[in-house]
Amino acid sequence: EAAVTQSPRNKVTVTGGNVTLSCRQTNSHNYMYWYRQDTGHGLRLIHYSYGAGNLQIGDVPDGYKATRTTQEDFFLLLELASPSQTSLYFCASSGTGNYAEQFFGPGTRLTVL
Amino acid sequence: QQKVQQSPESLIVPEGGMASLNCTSSDRNVDYFWWYRQHSGKSPKMLMSIFSNGEKEEGRFTVHLNKASLHTSLHIRDSQPSDSALYLCAAASNSAGNKLTFGIGTRVLVRP
Repeated sequence: EAAVTQSPRNKVTVTGGNVTLSCRQTNSHNYMYWYRQDTGHGLRLIHYSYGAGNLQIGDVPDGYKATRTTQEDFFLLLELASPSQTSLYFCASSGTGNYAEQFFGPGTRLTVL
Repeated sequence: QQKVQQSPESLIVPEGGMASLNCTSSDRNVDYFWWYRQHSGKSPKMLMSIFSNGEKEEGRFTVHLNKASLHTSLHIRDSQPSDSALYLCAAASNSAGNKLTFGIGTRVLVRP
């Protein structure tokens, strides 16, 4: 079973604050993803990466930066957090290949006051 | 407009009954579908995938795909309370590489 971990699991910040969400996978997967999940919108892709130093824009990237420092580690950065970014954030990883299964981490619940 | 539409939004099924969930993509490039299951407070986990026309069965779960209409359905027979969850449909296309587009989901409640 693929292992994806996220930290922190819960985070509260204020409007305008700086937040970094961390994700680590230990399955030698090339691809990593950041999603947000909101009621009425489902899972939406923010950013993804196919290797260290690579970054691809997802479907809802505004207000988010991401950085892939190693094959294992993928970070999501909110530099000026806004209440609209209150959400449940999931990281996922997958192998190479167009139809590789994605394995999800446990999620980080972020609240922006 | 969601590119992946799921119906119904929610479903109540008696224990031992059949649950039927639907999913349609509006993207003509889509050629692969996934079904993920997400229990309350947990992360999504892949349940089944399908890319060929027809049917695929794994235990109590059956997936159908009609590529011409870009419609897939998931059927759960002999539903158990442990099947109560949010079921997410995701679509992928060769041109989009590893990107998945998810629907909003169908919430299934199995009543004992």
